Amino acid sequence: KQEVTQIPAALSVPEGENLVLNCSFTDSAIYNLQWFRQDPGKGLTSLLLIQSSQREQTSGRLNASLDKSSGRSTLYIAASQPGDSATYLCAVRQVNAGGTSYGKLTFGQGTILTVHP
Amino acid sequence: GAVVSQHPSRVICKSGTSVKIECRSLDFQATTMFWYRQFPKKSLMLMATSNEGSKATYEQGVEKDKFLINHASLTLSTLTVTSAHPEDSSFYICSARVWRDRGSAGELFFGEGSRLTVL
Repeated sequence: KQEVTQIPAALSVPEGENLVLNCSFTDSAIYNLQWFRQDPGKGLTSLLLIQSSQREQTSGRLNASLDKSSGRSTLYIAASQPGDSATYLCAVRQVNAGGTSYGKLTFGQGTILTVHP
Repeated sequence: GAVVSQHPSRVICKSGTSVKIECRSLDFQATTMFWYRQFPKKSLMLMATSNEGSKATYEQGVEKDKFLINHASLTLSTLTVTSAHPEDSSFYICSARVWRDRGSAGELFFGEGSRLTVL
């Protein structure tokens, strides 16, 4: 059974710092890995999606890497801003025996990020 | 990207009543929808997979008679929490898979979530 772990559980940094969020998973047979942002009481906003064949994806100040063999992914946030404060969730999508994916995601417990001015 | 709409976004009900939450794909057809549950400060846990025209597949530990799922059309899945109790209070989120090409795994899109509070 896939298990996804995120470290740290919470992180508080001053504005402007670069930071790294970590995600690890136990089963490397993944279809893709996705990073989400969740604001309090809200739904999920997809940030970056990395296919299993990819090593990294970048969007603006965000960069996500994937090392499938070691079961790890990192989300790098450059020059953090107070508006980045949210919970960041990592989720992996399993691959079926046929190579496709039903679409079930296994989520980590999230990292609560606070960026203070 | 495609849009998934959930309704209601918030609902408060009395213990013992039933509550229905709708998940709609607005501009695409979704053969498969997923229902997740999130407790405060916890992660999302998959409850069930909903397939159009067939019975839902429930994850281990999820009571199918408690959480009724109906996926009657390619754009609508409903989750009914029957005889709700305070411990059912949670944030429920649906996800829809769009099937674009044969052999494709299909992209996933999430609704905004529905917060259920049972008094």
